[in-house]
Amino acid sequence: QVQLVESGGGVVQPGRSLRLSCAASGFTFSTYALHWVRQAPGKGLEWVAAISFDGNEKFYADSVEGRFTISRDNSNNTLYLQMNSLRAEDTSVYYCARPLGYCSSTSCYTWGPFDHWGQGALVTVSS
Amino acid sequence: EIVMTQSPATLSVSPGERATLSCRASQSVSSNLAWYQQKPGQVPRLLIYGASTRATGIPARFSGSGSGTEFTLSISSLQSEDLAFYYCQQYHDWPPFTFGPGTKVDVK
Repeated sequence: QVQLVESGGGVVQPGRSLRLSCAASGFTFSTYALHWVRQAPGKGLEWVAAISFDGNEKFYADSVEGRFTISRDNSNNTLYLQMNSLRAEDTSVYYCARPLGYCSSTSCYTWGPFDHWGQGALVTVSS
Repeated sequence: EIVMTQSPATLSVSPGERATLSCRASQSVSSNLAWYQQKPGQVPRLLIYGASTRATGIPARFSGSGSGTEFTLSISSLQSEDLAFYYCQQYHDWPPFTFGPGTKVDVK
């Protein structure tokens, strides 16, 4: 079965860096785009970043553009999120998510929606 | 950026009754709309995609409808286990993949 397991969360001071990892199993990792989605305590879901199956395309939310970098290692089935210049407002549970991948009668959708999610990694930015 | 809104913010429904949740997009998203359920302390779960297709393993009491800018998630006979937050998400025009703010479903 599909499994996504995040790691690397923790408490970090404002301005510092942290790298999250998401170890994947149970599917052909190198054929799926992948995403990071976050959820601040008591708040809703916020999409953070996405990467294509081969790592050549990367997309970011405006709130993290220039500070966060998404990457992947298809040889080790692992997704990463490098977070620099962290702010208090980055405090969240960070989920990695895999798209469903499906085709309707007119189009195929390989980037969304998300049918598998990891259990999340808590990142707390505090002095 | 497409902005998603949801109403009501909180919905209290008695067990066995029908629950109707609304989601609106700031511009057309065609049928590229998903619904997620997030129970307390749990990870989001995909319920509906393509506005009306149930994801694998989702009970038939959950149904989605709508297209363009107006969407509805219905729970035909609410069960106590359906207590959760429900989020809509558009994947029509991205980035970003925008979520609505969520509707909290309380069971009376």
